Amino acid sequence: SQTIHQWPATLVQPVGSPLSLECTVEGTSNPNLYWYRQAAGRGLQLLFYSVGIGQISSEVPQNLSASRPQDRQFILSSKKLLLSDSGFYLCAWSVGRDIQYFGAGTRLSVL
Amino acid sequence: AQSVTQLDSQVPVFEEAPVELRCNYSSSVSVYLFWYVQYPNQGLQLLLKYLSGSTLVKGINGFEAEFNKSQTSFHLRKPSVHISDTAEYFCAVSGGTGTASKLTFGTGTRLQVTL
Repeated sequence: SQTIHQWPATLVQPVGSPLSLECTVEGTSNPNLYWYRQAAGRGLQLLFYSVGIGQISSEVPQNLSASRPQDRQFILSSKKLLLSDSGFYLCAWSVGRDIQYFGAGTRLSVL
Repeated sequence: AQSVTQLDSQVPVFEEAPVELRCNYSSSVSVYLFWYVQYPNQGLQLLLKYLSGSTLVKGINGFEAEFNKSQTSFHLRKPSVHISDTAEYFCAVSGGTGTASKLTFGTGTRLQVTL
């Protein structure tokens, strides 16, 4: 069966520090991968998605970047965090346009 | 472009009462529709989906939803709720012609079930 791992579960970082969140998927090949952010009291916003290794599409301009160095690995990064980067970050995978399966999320607090 | 509107930010309901969570969408292309549930500090879990076919879709935990193309709605219903149904519910639409599922989410509805 397929599983998705996301870590860390919680993270507290100072403003201006770098960020690296990792997501890996097991049990499937060539999945579509996604990063979402959920700000407090708001819905989910799609940040990036990838349909293959090295292929990244950005949905909104921001302080973040994404990379897909391996088929089932998706990384969310920032060189310098801002206060506005705080939120709940969710990774997801899908096969084509069908169901997206979500990880447990990372709670990021930038202080 | 596509959008999703969840009309109610919070829905309080007594246990064993019926509930309907409303969702309206707009899209210029054919869509797939989803309802997800999120328990506190957890990821999202799929409740049900509409891809094509029958407009009445049954999901997990006794939930169902009806796709109404003329009203561009996909309301979620449950005939009798339980305390454990207390959670945040998100409606989402997947449109476009690419191979990726670019979901647009509503802002969520907080379902609060009390005794």
